[in-house]
Amino acid sequence: RKEVEQDPGPFNVPEGATVAFNCTYSNSASQSFFWYRQDCRKEPKLLMSVYSSGNEDGRFTAQLNRASQYISLLIRDSKLSDSATYLCVVRRGSTLGRLYFGRGTQLTVWP
Amino acid sequence: SAVISQKPSRDICQRGTSLTIQCQVDSQVTMMFWYRQQPGQSLTLIATANQGSEATYESGFVIDKFPISRPNLTFSTLTVSNMSPEDSSIYLCSGSGTVELNTEAFFGQGTRLTVV
Repeated sequence: RKEVEQDPGPFNVPEGATVAFNCTYSNSASQSFFWYRQDCRKEPKLLMSVYSSGNEDGRFTAQLNRASQYISLLIRDSKLSDSATYLCVVRRGSTLGRLYFGRGTQLTVWP
Repeated sequence: SAVISQKPSRDICQRGTSLTIQCQVDSQVTMMFWYRQQPGQSLTLIATANQGSEATYESGFVIDKFPISRPNLTFSTLTVSNMSPEDSSIYLCSGSGTVELNTEAFFGQGTRLTVV
């Protein structure tokens, strides 16, 4: 079983839509959780960390369910510029330890 | 925020040759990692680059094929040795553990390698 599993996508949504991505992780010892964004032919960049209580950053809301080992990302009022691949990322143990990446979910927002 | 400059950004190489990829960070980082990403796939960790000692390799990756150096806290290199077409991929370096960014992991721009 893979360390991190994500919705395969792709997701194609109109501008203004709300879209949700899901992710599960296999190791209950995982301590830190992130969503990264990767544009085509670019490096991944941190979108947001995911905290146990859930957190919001503008149009983006992340949720963590430790009991179910489940992470989600909600994007409201989608913009064309949100088109990218979204990577679910998990860190096990040490705060500076290695990261485990999901395969990524591709989002295309159309006008 | 910290920045990693990765070179080269792309290269086309003959099979049997070697390519060295460099990453320079503009501030000291505790950890540096090397990843490989096939088209449409997730990032796969090759190794953790340890400052002043041998890198720690993941299963399926060996030092003879992917020698890594990390002479200080701001610089690392990855060499892809005796290349074959199967080594064609994007290679990414990553750093984490800076004073400013704490534990956030950030990446170099990637090296797109094609072996012919």
